[in-house]
Amino acid sequence: TQLLEQSPQFLSIQEGENLTVYCNSSSVFSSLQWYRQEPGEGPVLLVTVVTGGEVKKLKRLTFQFGDARKDSSLHITAAQTGDTGLYLCAGVYVGTYKYIFGTGTRLKVLA
Amino acid sequence: GAGVSQSPSNKVTEKGKDVELRCDPISGHTALYWYRQSLGQGLEFLIYFQGNSAPDKSGLPSDRFSAERTGGSVSTLTIQRTQQEDSAVYLCASSSSGGYTEAFFGQGTRLTVV
Repeated sequence: TQLLEQSPQFLSIQEGENLTVYCNSSSVFSSLQWYRQEPGEGPVLLVTVVTGGEVKKLKRLTFQFGDARKDSSLHITAAQTGDTGLYLCAGVYVGTYKYIFGTGTRLKVLA
Repeated sequence: GAGVSQSPSNKVTEKGKDVELRCDPISGHTALYWYRQSLGQGLEFLIYFQGNSAPDKSGLPSDRFSAERTGGSVSTLTIQRTQQEDSAVYLCASSSSGGYTEAFFGQGTRLTVV
């Protein structure tokens, strides 16, 4: 069974703080996506990374794909209350076609 | 359509009844996925369609669950003889080529079995 570990599971921080969420696997991904999910909604795509070592920035969010394509991180700078939500990573393993999701990180940013 | 559409958005059913959940993927997307999300949990893969074929049904929890896709578009997920443990949010996603491009999700169907 291929497992996708995500950490931390829960995170509560003050507005203005920085945070990093991690997504790890023992197998190699052909691509990895990060999603954010609000209550009552489906996950919304934030970014896709495909190349080992790739770094992508989306405003205050920085996404990094590990050199070996087995792990990824999401870093948020100066968190805002609007960043509150469930962050999910989803990987597609080499030779497969289905998206395997991590367990998610529930982020709460306090004013 | 502009996005993935699922219906109904909420469904309450009595234990033992059958339910049908519908997914309208983004027009032109050949790959379609069904996932299940229980309260506080991550997304559990159920089934994958490429066109009208389902090469991977490995995530269906039991033979009470089935899914079909017609015309390479609309898909229905059917749960027979529903049980309380079937209560969850059922999410549908589509992508243009399955596994190599982004998956776009619908808003989900919240199923409650009472």
